[in-house]
Amino acid sequence: DAMVIQNPRYQVTQFGKPVTLSCSQTLNHNVMYWYQQKSSQAPKLLFHYYDKDFNNEADTPDNFQSRRPNTSFCFLDIRSPGLGDAAMYLCATSRVGAGSAYNEQFFGPGTRLTVL
Amino acid sequence: GEDVEQSLFLSVREGDSSVINCTYTDSSSTYLYWYKQEPGAGLQLLTYIFSNMDMKQDQRLTVLLNKKDKHLSLRIADTQTGDSAIYFCAETYMRFGAGTRLTVKP
Repeated sequence: DAMVIQNPRYQVTQFGKPVTLSCSQTLNHNVMYWYQQKSSQAPKLLFHYYDKDFNNEADTPDNFQSRRPNTSFCFLDIRSPGLGDAAMYLCATSRVGAGSAYNEQFFGPGTRLTVL
Repeated sequence: GEDVEQSLFLSVREGDSSVINCTYTDSSSTYLYWYKQEPGAGLQLLTYIFSNMDMKQDQRLTVLLNKKDKHLSLRIADTQTGDSAIYFCAETYMRFGAGTRLTVKP
């Protein structure tokens, strides 16, 4: 089945120790997104890739970086995790066509990050 | 900033109707979406409505849109225990509400 896969499902890191979260997709979608979701809060968009074009949200901290080496994979790098970065991180994909505003997103199950 | 707001909890009895409400602020949203998240799973698109529509019905689901008040609602008829989940509304520009946790009691 075509899907969005996130690894690992649970990640524990230490304060200040760099960590990378992974996302892969078999949908061949052109757009990939990373969201941060804290308990009982809305998923907050961090950035997205439209093909190879990186789009950072204005309020995403510099501590968060992303890489998309190919269509299928996208990584979230947290350079120096703080306690406030503990959250669920959601990856999503969509196929966005030129001139269309319809944007159904397909989500992975998320990676729960704990910072000790 | 622009916010999408939802109440956090809703509890209904099996067989009753559920109504989940959402308010949004971006009047330029072309599409509005409802996503469902079951435990341990990612968000999954449940239904959507185009901004020039007032209502959309899909089997047990009815979406109502009031553009003037920027109010969106999702009605689930004959709610079943399998409908227990978190429901998120979302605007066109990838802004989500915090989600409404629906609990269905037998």
